[in-house]
Amino acid sequence: DVKVTQSSRYLVKRTGEKVFLECVQDMDHENMFWYRQDPGLGLRLIYFSYDVKMKEKGDIPEGYSVSREKKERFSLILESASTNQTSMYLCASSSWDYYQPQHFGDGTRLSIL
Amino acid sequence: GESVGLHLPTLSVQEGDNSIINCAYSNSASDYFIWYKQESGKGPQFIIDIRSNMDKRQGQRVTVLLNKTVKHLSLQIAATQPGDSAVYFCAENTNSGGSNYKLTFGKGTLLTVNP
Repeated sequence: DVKVTQSSRYLVKRTGEKVFLECVQDMDHENMFWYRQDPGLGLRLIYFSYDVKMKEKGDIPEGYSVSREKKERFSLILESASTNQTSMYLCASSSWDYYQPQHFGDGTRLSIL
Repeated sequence: GESVGLHLPTLSVQEGDNSIINCAYSNSASDYFIWYKQESGKGPQFIIDIRSNMDKRQGQRVTVLLNKTVKHLSLQIAATQPGDSAVYFCAENTNSGGSNYKLTFGKGTLLTVNP
């Protein structure tokens, strides 16, 4: 079974802090994704990566950056956290095969005070 | 039923009944579709997928039907159990080349199973 592990289930940070969310997958997947999930808005793609050191902006990249130094690890960085970044953050991974689904971690519920 | 972009609908069924969750998609070029289940406090879990060259695919207690003519997707759950209570949402992918791994997700349907 694919396992996508997010480092924290719950996280509380203060406005202006730099926040790191970590994600690790164990299936040697090429693609990794960061989403945020908000009530009424569904899943929105922040950034994704299709290879080590490669990244592409998703639909809502403002205020975020990412890092992929190793194939199995994809980090989401909130450069200066703001209250409107309070959300559920979900990481996913998938193989190079277009007809394979993305697999998700259990999410990090981030609160910015 | 659900459509990409609408508010979260709900479906309430009795334990043992069959459930049907619907999803309308807008992009006629979409050629790969996935159903996910998300339980409270957990991430989305893959249930079943279907390619556009098929109109039906069966898994364990689940069946996905694809009607490309009306751009409609449905998930059927047989003999629904309390453990099936969750939010279900569909996702579509369009092979547009380049960064073609991006999925478009529906908002989801909340399924409640009454004992």
